[in-house]
Amino acid sequence: TQLLEQSPQFLSIQEGENLTVYCNSSSVFSSLQWYRQEPGEGPVLLVTVVTGGEVKKLKRLTFQFGDARKDSSLHITAAQPGDTGLYLCAGRYGSQGNLIFGKGTKLSVKP
Amino acid sequence: KAGVTQTPRYLIKTRGQQVTLSCSPISGHRSVSWYQQTPGQGLQFLFEYFSETQRNKGNFPGRFSGRQFSNSRSEMNVSTLELGDSALYLCASSSLGPSRLSGANVLTFGAGSRLTVL
Repeated sequence: TQLLEQSPQFLSIQEGENLTVYCNSSSVFSSLQWYRQEPGEGPVLLVTVVTGGEVKKLKRLTFQFGDARKDSSLHITAAQPGDTGLYLCAGRYGSQGNLIFGKGTKLSVKP
Repeated sequence: KAGVTQTPRYLIKTRGQQVTLSCSPISGHRSVSWYQQTPGQGLQFLFEYFSETQRNKGNFPGRFSGRQFSNSRSEMNVSTLELGDSALYLCASSSLGPSRLSGANVLTFGAGSRLTVL
């Protein structure tokens, strides 16, 4: 069974703080995606990483794919209340594997 | 470009009943995937359809079934509902075939159908 472990499960911080969310697996991903989901909505894709060691930036969000392609992190700089939501990582194993989701990190940014 | 549309958004059923959920993908998208989301288990893959054929299936009992029509619209059905079936059911569409070109296979999700089983 391939599992994706996300940590922390919950995170409550003040506006302006930095934070990092982690996604780990014992298996190698062929690709990994990060999504954000807001209450009452479906997940929205933030980024896809494919190459080991890859780093992508999306404004204040920095995504990193581990060299061995077994882990990933999402770092948010100077968090804002608008960043509040459920952050999900999703990995694909092999070339035709289904997309497997972690259970998510619920982030709350207080003004 | 309209997004992924799921109906109904909310529904309440009782144990033993059956339910049908509908998903209209983005125009031009031929692949539709279904996921079940619960607080305890997160998002779990149900099945994936492409060109009216089920291409992948998750580890759910046979009470969960689905189909895809020639216009790419998809339905999923859950028979003999149990309390544990209460969840948000999400549909996602993609322009690519099942799991091809993994890095480029982008899923666009609908807002989901929230099912409560009493």
